[in-house]
Order: sequence, then C-alpha cells, then structure tokens
Amino acid sequence: LAKTTQPISMDSYEGQEVNITCSHNNIATNDYITWYQQFPSQGPRFIIQGYKTKVTNEVASLFIPADRKSSTLSLPRVSLSDTAVYYCLVGDIVDDKIIFGKGTRLHILP
Amino acid sequence: DADVTQTPRNRITKTGKRIMLECSQTKGHDRMYWYRQDPGLGLRLIYYSFDVKDINKGEISDGYSVSRQAQAKFSLSLESAIPNQTALYFCATSERAGRTMYNEQFFGPGTRLTVL
Repeated sequence: LAKTTQPISMDSYEGQEVNITCSHNNIATNDYITWYQQFPSQGPRFIIQGYKTKVTNEVASLFIPADRKSSTLSLPRVSLSDTAVYYCLVGDIVDDKIIFGKGTRLHILP
Repeated sequence: DADVTQTPRNRITKTGKRIMLECSQTKGHDRMYWYRQDPGLGLRLIYYSFDVKDINKGEISDGYSVSRQAQAKFSLSLESAIPNQTALYFCATSERAGRTMYNEQFFGPGTRLTVL
C-alpha cells in the first residue's frame, strides 16, 4: 500500500480557501486517492475521491497532477465548522484495505 | 452515520476481563471493518471482513478477535483486556468493489473503551 505524507497541522481563517497537499510517491496504477474528514469523537466521513486530473463536488475539489505522486484537497471559503482532521488515503479500489495515516489537523480561526 | 451502530458507546473495564464490542449495519454492505484510534493518532485497522466467510487481519490484530455473525453484524472481542487497549474503536462498512462509483467507507459513532 502506498504511504502518504501530509502536514501535521494547518491554520487558516474563515472565508479563506484552504489547500492541503498529500504526497504519495509510490502510488500504484490501480490506486485511487481518497480524502476523509473527522470531527472530534466522531468517525471519519468521506469527502472526495479521484484517480487523475480534477474532481469537484459540493464540498471540495481534488487536484491530481499527471504523475499522480501528490494530490491537493481544496476547501473553498472555509468556516469554523471545517475545523477537523483531514486524512489522505491511497489504495486499490478493489482490495480496499486502506491505511489511515495521522492526517492533517486543520484549525479555522475567526 | 445512523446506518452503522455500535454498542456500547462507552465502556470501562478492568485488566483481564473479556470485552465484546458490537457493530450492526443496515446499509446492506458486504464489507465491514474494525479500527482503533489513539489520541493524536490516525486510525489503525484491526480486522476486516469482505463477507461472512472472509475475515482478515489488519495492522494490529494481536490481542483481538472478531466474529462475523451475519452480513449485518461484526463483533470485536478483547479476550483479556489490557490497559494499552484503551482507545476509541470504530466500526465501518463499505460496498463491494465495483457496485458503486466511489469506494467509500461509512463509520459508526465509535466506542470509547477504558481498561483500568
């Protein structure tokens, strides 16, 4: 399974766009990139998933360059409620024994 | 997610006791998982099951056992609890690969276990 590296923590302000980058140099051909969000004392919640280029949904965008060795989760116009831990995961969509790392603790300031 | 429930939500026990954590799901998913989370750390996979007859060890299975009683139920047991098993435990489910566009796991609310 590909190992991921992401910043331990980030701070931002309400109304800003936040970009969290994840490195996954050993990503395999069959691997997808998935991001989860976790609030304190709750289970993680799926945010977005992609394979290449750009994926956008109502919550976030995911940018994946051509070499797929990194990805960037973009949260537009964050609010205080976006304060959470964000996990980047890489894994085969068929054999989905995915591995959660320590994630990025995002703190949104007023 | 209300479709994935865990019981109990909180449990305090003593070293050496046998503990069972239960997970039930109404999503009709084939795949179920047990994770533990320690303060400041990410989730670590304990066991996972792709169907009733398929159970696999995860990263940290030592000291734990599981039972998949039915498609909807997946139990985690600590045969003889020890203090370093104090953690937040999450159950999750997912659809069989290929049935949905995204490979998404749905998590329960968690069980906070304290072993004294």
